[in-house]
Amino acid sequence: EVQLLESGGGLAQPGGSLRLSCTASGFTFSSYAMTWVRQAPGKGLDWVSSISPSGVSPSYADSVKGRFTISRDNSRNTLYLQMNSLRVEDTAVYYCIRSSGAAVGPAWGQGILVSVSS
Amino acid sequence: NFMMTQPHSVSESPGKTVIISCTRSSGSVASNYVQWYQQRPGSAPSTVIYEDNQRPSGVPDRFSGSIDISSNSASLTISGLKPEDEADYYCQAYDSSGWVFGGGTKLTVL
Repeated sequence: EVQLLESGGGLAQPGGSLRLSCTASGFTFSSYAMTWVRQAPGKGLDWVSSISPSGVSPSYADSVKGRFTISRDNSRNTLYLQMNSLRVEDTAVYYCIRSSGAAVGPAWGQGILVSVSS
Repeated sequence: NFMMTQPHSVSESPGKTVIISCTRSSGSVASNYVQWYQQRPGSAPSTVIYEDNQRPSGVPDRFSGSIDISSNSASLTISGLKPEDEADYYCQAYDSSGWVFGGGTKLTVL
């Protein structure tokens, strides 16, 4: 069974930092691209960042470019999102997603709340 | 970049069939696979359709996906509606840099 467990969320002040982690199990982590998507309270889904299986060629939404960094440790089956210079508008539930593969669709984690407030 | 536009809400009775549309604003809908996600209240999204029309294991065959090049849109069809199908549904496609989501459609099963 595929499991994706996010951690590291919580309350941060504007301008502060947080690092999210997503620990994966139930599939060969190093074979899949991984993605972060967020959902602000009462709003729709918003793509944040994606990373290839090998960890090269990350991509970012314009709203987080230069502030967030996605990375992965395939030896630890873990995906990261380093969030710096946080803004109030970054407040959201952040979801870790395993991208589609051979005959399997995207798999979602349960999400982790990040609140940015003074 | 393109946008994916969905109706804000749809409603239908149990046992009926509902179709949720998702129209791509530019470029061909056939250029990139479309996925559909279901999000029940208070829960994380889950995949009900991927790669236009593929159903993950465990998703009932009441759920089906298609694309229509003439209208440049994708559709999610749910037949034999059940109360537990009441949820928000999001379409998603890939562009050159990342993922593009539709705004979501709230399905009410009356």
